[in-house]
This record gives sequence, structure tokens and C-alpha cells, in this order.
Amino acid sequence: AQSVTQLDSQVPVFEEAPVELRCNYSSSVSVYLFWYVQYPNQGLQLLLKYLSGSTLVESINGFEAEFNKSQTSFHLRKPSVHISDTAEYFCAVNRAGGTSYGKLTFGQGTILTVHP
Amino acid sequence: DAGITQSPRHKVTETGTPVTLRCHQTENHRYMYWYRQDPGHGLRLIHYSYGVKDTDKGEVSDGYSVSRSKTEDFLLTLESATSSQTSVYFCAITERGSGEDTQYFGPGTRLTVL
Repeated sequence: AQSVTQLDSQVPVFEEAPVELRCNYSSSVSVYLFWYVQYPNQGLQLLLKYLSGSTLVESINGFEAEFNKSQTSFHLRKPSVHISDTAEYFCAVNRAGGTSYGKLTFGQGTILTVHP
Repeated sequence: DAGITQSPRHKVTETGTPVTLRCHQTENHRYMYWYRQDPGHGLRLIHYSYGVKDTDKGEVSDGYSVSRSKTEDFLLTLESATSSQTSVYFCAITERGSGEDTQYFGPGTRLTVL
């Protein structure tokens, strides 16, 4: 079984400041890793994912995450945030390949609030 | 957008009544899932399906049942709703092609059990 811990439930930050949302996972097998974003009163949108290959993955809106296998982490970063980045962010993991049926295990979520 | 719709989008019901939520997809995906979202818990898997009439339990399946009689529809039923089932329910599908396992989510159903 897998588990995911998001270390911060809330992260307040000022506009144009850098931000890091932390995610650690636990698994005895290889995993795929995901970050989803949920804007107020909306569904979840995929932000970025790590399946294999380069450990640094990027999204189209300036976020990036680095898979660190030794530290079992997949932290999300952005060098300069905007007001529009205010949302809840979820880290998720599923078992790579095999008969996992693609089931996701989610972290508890981190609410990012960007202040002007 | 993976062609997922959920109905109803909002529902208020009373304790003890049965409730059915519908997830509909238009792109012939094999895998479908039901999650519930609660503050401080993230999303938790209720049930999932890996084909027509093939379903299995997730992490929080007690009090819920599902059915999938055709590829495009995955129904979640609360046989006798309780206040603890007040939540936002999300349906998802997995695109499993080209070795990728990426889930896409529907817009959600907000259920209130009084």
C-alpha cells in the first residue's frame, strides 16, 4: 500500500514570492506521482506528473516538481506566484504498472493563498 | 477535459433515503473511479471499476455500492444515506494508453444529508 503526506495544510505567501509545497510518500514498489490543483468550487485538474525519465517535471504555468527517490519526496515549487495561483493542491501516488488499476492515493491537500 | 459528466451536481437529501449519483463518460475509458472529498482528508477512493460489471472496493466503501452495466456509466448508490456521507463526490477515469496512468476528474457532486 502507498501513503502520501503533505506537510503543510496551509501556505500563505505574497505575490511574486517563491513557494514550495511539500509532499512525501511511502511505498514498497515503484510509483507514479502527480500534483493536482483545485480552484475554489471546481474539480481537480492535473498540474503535472512524474511517470519515468527526468526527475524534474514542469507544468505549463510555471510550476515544477522534482522526484527524489532517496528522500521519497515530490515537492512542488514555483519561483514567483500570482494571485491566480490561489487554490488547493493535492499530491497523489499510484503503483507503477502491474495490476494497480490506476488507483490513486491522495495527500490531505495544501491550501495556497497568495496575498497582494 | 476527458468527457466526464456527473449528475446531479448538487443534492440535498434526508437521512435514511437512498441516493444514486451518476458518472457518464464519452470516450470509452475502461477504468472509472468514485472518490469522496472531505476537509483534512484529501480524496479517498470509494469504489472503482475495471470494466463492465467488474468493480471492487476502495478505502472507504462501507455504506456505498456501485454498478456498471455499460462502459459509459458508473453509478454510485448510498443505500440509506447518513449525515457522515455529506461530502463532495468525484468521478474519475484513467487514460491507460501508451503506458500512462493519468486520472482525470469530473466536476463533482455536492451531497448534503440532513
